Amino acid sequence: EAGVTQFPSHSVIEKGQTVTLRCDPISGHDNLYWYRRVMGKEIKFLLHFVKESKQDESGMPNNRFLAERTGGTYSTLKVQPAELEDSGVYFCASSHGQKQFFGPGTRLTVL
Amino acid sequence: AQSVTQLDSQVPVFEEAPVELRCNYSSSVSVYLFWYVQYPNQGLQLLLKYLSGSTLVESINGFEAEFNKSQTSFHLRKPSVHISDTAEYFCAGLNTGFQKLVFGTGTRLLVSP
Repeated sequence: EAGVTQFPSHSVIEKGQTVTLRCDPISGHDNLYWYRRVMGKEIKFLLHFVKESKQDESGMPNNRFLAERTGGTYSTLKVQPAELEDSGVYFCASSHGQKQFFGPGTRLTVL
Repeated sequence: AQSVTQLDSQVPVFEEAPVELRCNYSSSVSVYLFWYVQYPNQGLQLLLKYLSGSTLVESINGFEAEFNKSQTSFHLRKPSVHISDTAEYFCAGLNTGFQKLVFGTGTRLLVSP
C-alpha cells in the first residue's frame, strides 16, 4: 500500500513568489491534514479536510495560504505571495481513524 | 491552552546506554497520545501510541512508553539504544475534539559509539 506522498520535496523561492505544494493521501482516507514546522519550533496544525470539505482551518496563518481538495482526493496548499517567515517544512497526513500517517514533508525556503 | 511539552531539546547518549525522553501533556489534550520519530532525511513515522487499555505500550524496535494520568506524562524509554536510534522524536496528543494532533517541540536523540 502506498503511503502519503508529497511534492515537491524541496522548494526554494524568492519573497513575493507563489508556491503550490501537493499532497496525495493514502487511498480511501477521508481525513487529510496539513501541518507546518518552522525552524526550531513545534509542528503546528494548519487545517483538516474531511473528503473535500474543510473541517477545521483554525491553524492557517493568514489569507496568503489557500488549501484545496477538489474531489476529495489529493490536496494542494498554495502560498501567495510567499514571505520569509513562511519557510519551514510542510507535512501532510491522512487518516481513517485516530492514527495519522504522515508524508515526508516539503521543505520550503523563502529567500 | 492545549499543549504537549518536551523539556529536552537534545539528549546525547552512548550506544547501549538506557534513555528516557520526557513528555508531559496538559489536561486539555485528550489521552490519545503518540510518539513519532523522524530519522535524518525522512518523514514522520509513528513509533507507538496509547489509545486505551494497558498504560504501557511498546514499539517493535524496543522502545516503550508509559501513560501516567496522575503525572500527565507519557515518557519514552529504551533500555539500550543503538546508533540507528539517532533521530528526532516527537510526542503528540490528539486535541479534545479528536481531530488535530498537538505536538511537542521535539527531542533530538544523539547516540554516539
